[in-house]
Amino acid sequence: DVKVTQSSRYLVKRTGEKVFLECVQDMDHENMFWYRQDPGLGLRLIYFSYDVKMKEKGDIPEGYSVSREKKERFSLILESASTNQTSMYLCAISGWSSYEQYFGPGTRLTVT
Amino acid sequence: DAKTTQPTSMDCAEGRAANLPCNHSTISGNEYVYWYRQIHSQGPQYIIHGLKNNETNEMASLIITEDRKSSTLILPHATLRDTAVYYCIIIYSGGYQKVTFGIGTKLQVIP
Repeated sequence: DVKVTQSSRYLVKRTGEKVFLECVQDMDHENMFWYRQDPGLGLRLIYFSYDVKMKEKGDIPEGYSVSREKKERFSLILESASTNQTSMYLCAISGWSSYEQYFGPGTRLTVT
Repeated sequence: DAKTTQPTSMDCAEGRAANLPCNHSTISGNEYVYWYRQIHSQGPQYIIHGLKNNETNEMASLIITEDRKSSTLILPHATLRDTAVYYCIIIYSGGYQKVTFGIGTKLQVIP
C-alpha cells in the first residue's frame, strides 16, 4: 500500500509564527504536491516538486515556500503565519509517468 | 487544461447505480479524464481515468462520449460508503502533472 504521512493531523499556531508542515512518502515517487482545501473553493495547488531540490509554483504560492532536500520528504513552510492561512493542507505524490496522485490524511492548521 | 462542469450535488438510493456526469467541452486530444473522490475527513482517492475508450475497474466504470466533450462515472451498486465528493479532472499528458481540482459533486447515498 502507498503510504503518505503528514507530520500532524491538527496544528494550532499564532499569527506571525513560522510553520513547517512535513510530508513523507515511502514509494520512491518523483512528484510531490502541496494543496490547501477550503469550503467552497475545492483543492488548490500551492507548490509541487518533480525532483529533489526542484520546485514549481502552483496556483496560490503567495505566503508559502517549500523545501525538498531528500526525495521522500517535501516540506511546506509558512514564513509568517496569518489567519487567512487557516485551512486543511494536503500532500500528494505521484510517479514520473503516472497522473494518479496518492494523498496523505491532511493537516488541519488553525492560525489564531 | 480544459475546464470541467459538474453538478454540485446528487442523491442516489443505496444499491442503485450512481451516474455522475461531467462536461469538458474544451478538452483537447492529448488530455485525459480522471476521477477522484474524497470521503469526509480523508484525502482524495484516485478512482479511474480514460482517454477516449470506456474504462472499467473494480471501483467504477467511466463512459466517455465519442466527441469526448463529456463523460459519466458509474458506481454500479452504490453503498453508504460511497457518500463522498467526486472530482472530474482533465489532465494534459505532456505537462508537469499540475492538477486542478474543482468543487466536485457531493454524492449522498441514501439508505
